[in-house]
Amino acid sequence: DAGVTQSPTHLIKTRGQQVTLRCSPKSGHDTVSWYQQALGQGPQFIFQYYEEEERQRGNFPDRFSGHQFPNYSSELNVNALLLGDSALYLCASSLASGTQETQYFGPGTRLLVL
Amino acid sequence: AQSVAQPEDQVNVAEGNPLTVKCTYSVSGNPYLFWYVQYPNRGLQFLLKYITGDNLVKGSYGFEAEFNKSQTSFHLKKPSALVSDSALYFCAVFTGRRALTFGSGTRLQVQP
Repeated sequence: DAGVTQSPTHLIKTRGQQVTLRCSPKSGHDTVSWYQQALGQGPQFIFQYYEEEERQRGNFPDRFSGHQFPNYSSELNVNALLLGDSALYLCASSLASGTQETQYFGPGTRLLVL
Repeated sequence: AQSVAQPEDQVNVAEGNPLTVKCTYSVSGNPYLFWYVQYPNRGLQFLLKYITGDNLVKGSYGFEAEFNKSQTSFHLKKPSALVSDSALYFCAVFTGRRALTFGSGTRLQVQP
């Protein structure tokens, strides 16, 4: 049973560029959440996707956008990259059978913005 | 606003000794609390959760946590620490029914 997978594992970009990160949820899960973890901090919630729609968003600017596909996989897009966007980006999947469902995390994508 | 606090940046314990990693919470309504562990250059691994019911929750790898409503705490415990338990531990609470809000993390160092 495959867990949550993310690609790529590492990425280097320059300021102003755009980046797309990808996530495949755990088998049987239909909900994907994205988190940003800056160095030395706890993860911060970006947004969550269910039924191909964003259904909750954290305190992140519109430069951060996402998408969920019919097979439940998801993308996180960040436009106009800033140095402060350098972080580990974590994807988590869960099953939307109710609320407070356990979220299972992937290994993350480490983004470095130069 | 829902939040959790981890008062210790680092906890040091000798192998074989019991360990405790502290977490306190501030929530309105019923708290839904989680513990995750993060190994270097890895994502977060789920350890255990408290939703309702028994105040002592058992999880993976021999870890357990005690929910204490009067002290608003949810401390992670293990009777006998292993060197391989050395990692970064995060307490988290559900916010807005769907998003996890994490504490700042506690680094556990188990010395042989």
